[in-house]
Amino acid sequence: GESVGLHLPTLSVQEGDNSIINCAYSNSASDYFIWYKQESGKGPQFIIDIRSNMDKRQGQRVTVLLNKTVKHLSLQIAATQPGDSAVYFCAEKGAGNNRKLIWGLGTSLAVNP
Amino acid sequence: ETGVTQTPRHLVMGMTNKKSLKCEQHLGHNAMYWYKQSAKKPLELMFVYNFKEQTENNSVPSRFSPECPNSSHLFLHLHTLQPEDSALYLCASSQLAGDADEQYFGPGTRLTVT
Repeated sequence: GESVGLHLPTLSVQEGDNSIINCAYSNSASDYFIWYKQESGKGPQFIIDIRSNMDKRQGQRVTVLLNKTVKHLSLQIAATQPGDSAVYFCAEKGAGNNRKLIWGLGTSLAVNP
Repeated sequence: ETGVTQTPRHLVMGMTNKKSLKCEQHLGHNAMYWYKQSAKKPLELMFVYNFKEQTENNSVPSRFSPECPNSSHLFLHLHTLQPEDSALYLCASSQLAGDADEQYFGPGTRLTVT
């Protein structure tokens, strides 16, 4: 079936280092992907999205990479800060009639000072 | 602030109670959503409203009853819930246009069913 999974449930990094959060998806027909960040006590917050006709998109300190060949998505955070500590979710939007977002389990990112 | 507010933030209710969750969006969006977030599970989409019309009901038990009186307000009416319904209930809104689906979430209501 359709699923979005994450390679690592938790990630611990030192402040100032770069973080890479990975996501695998199984529906090769998915054509839209989103990363969300959820801090403690808050709802998920949009970070960045990417369409399947792109393989890279950059935002402020974040970069999303899409490898359709291996159905892999990653979120790179440059110069990780304590405020980046949160749970990060990837989500995919399937093609065809079923256009709802399918969410992954999430990766918890802990930034050590 | 995301422009989406939810009340109450916390709710404890017995299995025989009736309560309602409220969501309001101040973003002028045309779609609103209810999600259930449980520990160690992916976010579960419950209901979708597009221009006040319900377009999605993900096999949600009838003890959850949504209401969307206008495009800015969304309610989730709860009655005779079960302990397994304890979770964080998130409301979101978005402006549906093509493929883009940037959803703005409220802070959620932490529901505990005793």
